[in-house]
Formats: sequence, structure tokens, C-alpha cells
Amino acid sequence: KAGVTQTPRYLIKTRGQQVTLSCSPISGHRSVSWYQQTPGQGLQFLFEYFSETQRNKGNFPGRFSGRQFSNSRSEMNVSTLELGDSALYLCASSLGAGAEETQYFGPGTRLLVL
Amino acid sequence: GQQLNQSPQSMFIQEGEDVSMNCTSSSIFNTWLWYKQDPGEGPVLLIALYKAGELTSNGRLTAQFGITRKDSFLNISASIPSDVGIYFCAGRSGNTPLVFGKGTRLSVIA
Repeated sequence: KAGVTQTPRYLIKTRGQQVTLSCSPISGHRSVSWYQQTPGQGLQFLFEYFSETQRNKGNFPGRFSGRQFSNSRSEMNVSTLELGDSALYLCASSLGAGAEETQYFGPGTRLLVL
Repeated sequence: GQQLNQSPQSMFIQEGEDVSMNCTSSSIFNTWLWYKQDPGEGPVLLIALYKAGELTSNGRLTAQFGITRKDSFLNISASIPSDVGIYFCAGRSGNTPLVFGKGTRLSVIA
């Protein structure tokens, strides 16, 4: 069974631009979560989607948004990029959205904002 | 956001030694997970724990779900060079998002 895939793997943008990252979950998984990882803050939760509905949202500004499609694939968008948005963006999928659901991570998209 | 207290932050050990690391939380969790992350990759799940007091092994790795549900431990026995990486604990309760520790960076000296 294929794992979680994320595209692109690497991205360079300039301040003020916007970016869209894509995540394809493991086949059959209906829940997708997004995280931002930086050396200073560690892994910070962004959003969680289940069956196209946002279930949880982390403490990030409105420039960060996401969505999930009917095939469970998910995208996240960051508008008006800032230097501090440079990070590894990780997507994780699970079968469902309960507390006992195990999340499996993709390889991440490394975003560099210049 | 909320984070777990994970310790130690880093470890340098000799190949063959045993390793212990732990996480504590001010909140009760229903699930504890341990992940390992290699440079440039996403975290890979090592062990999942779902019951207080549960002790689970995965090869040379053993993890325990603390009886108070506020802590968890990961032990690695007879370390080898490929154990090098960053180990993360993560906890979750109810419908709240998964919360991560800041990681333990393990270095193994051959």
C-alpha cells in the first residue's frame, strides 16, 4: 500500500507570494492533518480534515487555509508569504478521526521564503 | 500551542548501549505515539499506545503508557548506528489535535 505523498517536495517562494501544497493520503484513509515543523517551534498543528470537513484548527493566522476533496486528498494554501513561513510542512493521514487513530506522515514539503 | 515536555533534548551514546527517553504532560492523554524522524523526511511511527499501563515492544524498542496517563517512556536496547535520528513523542485526547514533544536527538558513536 502506498504511503502518504506530498507535492512538491521542495519549493522556493518570495515574500508576498502565495503557495499551495498538496497531500494524498494512504488509500482508504479519510482524515488528513497538516503540521508546520521549524527548528525553533517543533511540530505545530495547522488543521485536521475528515470527510471534507475541518474538524480542528491550530493557532495560525488566517493566511493559512486548507481544504479536503471528496477523494480525501487535501491541499493547504498560504497567502502573502512571510519569511517566517519557511518550514517543513507535513501532512499525516489516518483511517478516521478518533483519538485512537494512528497518524502516518508523508515526507513533507520544504518551503523556503526569500 | 500546547507541547509536551520531552527529555533529554539530545543524547550521545556508544553503540550497544541502551537508551531511555520520556515525555510528560500536564494533560491526560488517551493515546501516546512515538515517532522517529530522519533528516529531510517525515516522522515514521514506531509504537502506538492506547491504554494506561500498556507496555509495547517493536523489536529493540519498548514503550510504556504511564499509569497516570500523563507520561510515556521509550527505551531502545543495544543501540546501533541506524538508530541515529530525532525521536518524538505525541499525545492525543478526545477530538483534540495531536500534540508533539520537541524531540530527542540521538547520536550513536560506533
